[in-house]
Amino acid sequence: ELKVEQNPLFLSMQEGKNYTIYCNYSTTSDRLYWYRQDPGKSLESLFVLLSNGAVKQEGRLMASLDTKARLSTLHITAAVHDLSATYFCAVLYNNNDMRFGAGTRLTVKP
Amino acid sequence: DGGITQSPKYLFRKEGQNVTLSCEQNLNHDAMYWYRQDPGQGLRLIYYSQIVNDFQKGDIAEGYSVSREKKESFPLTVTSAQKNPTAFYLCASSRILDRGNTEAFFGQGTRLTVV
Repeated sequence: ELKVEQNPLFLSMQEGKNYTIYCNYSTTSDRLYWYRQDPGKSLESLFVLLSNGAVKQEGRLMASLDTKARLSTLHITAAVHDLSATYFCAVLYNNNDMRFGAGTRLTVKP
Repeated sequence: DGGITQSPKYLFRKEGQNVTLSCEQNLNHDAMYWYRQDPGQGLRLIYYSQIVNDFQKGDIAEGYSVSREKKESFPLTVTSAQKNPTAFYLCASSRILDRGNTEAFFGQGTRLTVV
């Protein structure tokens, strides 16, 4: 059974703090995605990770992939209020079957 | 500009009616997807299509139907058999590559409400 599990599901952080969101998946995958969703909006692509050991960074966000552990992380450095959103990981199976985690709702407080 | 367009943005349906949500892309992508999102929840796969005239059921296909007569278009019909259709519906498309850097692009979504 294909499963994509994220944790935590809810995360409340203070500005300036660091934290990591985890994404575990059950079956060998072609690639892994991270998306951001603001309330009432569609999904915005953040990262695409293709291979074991892949690391990508954009601003205060850094994503990594360990295909052996079937684990991806999204690390937030020195959080700011603008990062408040829901973050989803998604895993691509068999080239075109994409499954999502439940999402992590991040709130950054002053 | 290339992109993926969903319409309408908001849709109201009476109980017992079928409604069709439109999804069009001009990205020349092979694969297209429909997801449902309930408030505060993640995305659940309804249907996906790899090529024209072919589509596969996702996790929650019951009460929905799709067609893929053209590469650019993947409409979703929410039938009267779907007992709880009120949700946010997202369409996505992606390119099939052997390997390489590819992304799935999402439309802006359709918010369906049963009245």
